[in-house]
Amino acid sequence: EVQLVESGGGFIQPGGSLRLSCAASGFTSSIYWMHWVRQAPGKGPVWVSCIDGVGGTTRYADSVKGRFTISRDNAKNTLYLQMNSLRAEDTAVYYCTRDFYRGGLDVWGQGTTVTVSS
Amino acid sequence: QSVLTQPPSVSAAPGQKVTISCSGSSFDIANNYVSWYQQLPGTAPKLLIYDNNKRPSGIPDRFSGSKSGTSATLGITGLQTGDEADYYCGTWDSSLNAGVFGGGTKLTVL
Repeated sequence: EVQLVESGGGFIQPGGSLRLSCAASGFTSSIYWMHWVRQAPGKGPVWVSCIDGVGGTTRYADSVKGRFTISRDNAKNTLYLQMNSLRAEDTAVYYCTRDFYRGGLDVWGQGTTVTVSS
Repeated sequence: QSVLTQPPSVSAAPGQKVTISCSGSSFDIANNYVSWYQQLPGTAPKLLIYDNNKRPSGIPDRFSGSKSGTSATLGITGLQTGDEADYYCGTWDSSLNAGVFGGGTKLTVL
């Protein structure tokens, strides 16, 4: 079964750091671009970042550039999102998702919740 | 404020057809591929349409996508109560060099 499982979310104070992980199974993740998408409570999804199959190319939303770092370990079939200098507006459910073809995000994890609050 | 503009809500009766628009610009929709997603409460988005008009395996042909210029449209025919959900368009923005989603459209099947 093709599956993505996120972990690493939690409650963190402003200015803190968290590292999210996304474990892929049932497919060869190294041939796909992978993305992080977040969704604040009651709001629509917002694209955060993506990385190519070998980890050589990354892209970020302006709102997280310089604070978040996306990476992957294909040997472990795992995607990461290192989040530093967290702000209240980073509070959201974070999903990892697979880029199937031409930006179509066909497999999504269940999401992991990040709450930034003092 | 989303880069892509969608109507906040649409509604139609069971069995009828509805369309949801997604308006963008030359930096996004006009020169990139559009995807559409359905999101039921408490669940992750589900891919309905990719590459402007293609359906992934398992998506019924009641769902269709089209694109013209800086706009894209999702069509749903034979509406069912189970289609009540939020729908989002998504694409790449070549000026931002980032992915973008629409603000979402809530579909009500009356």
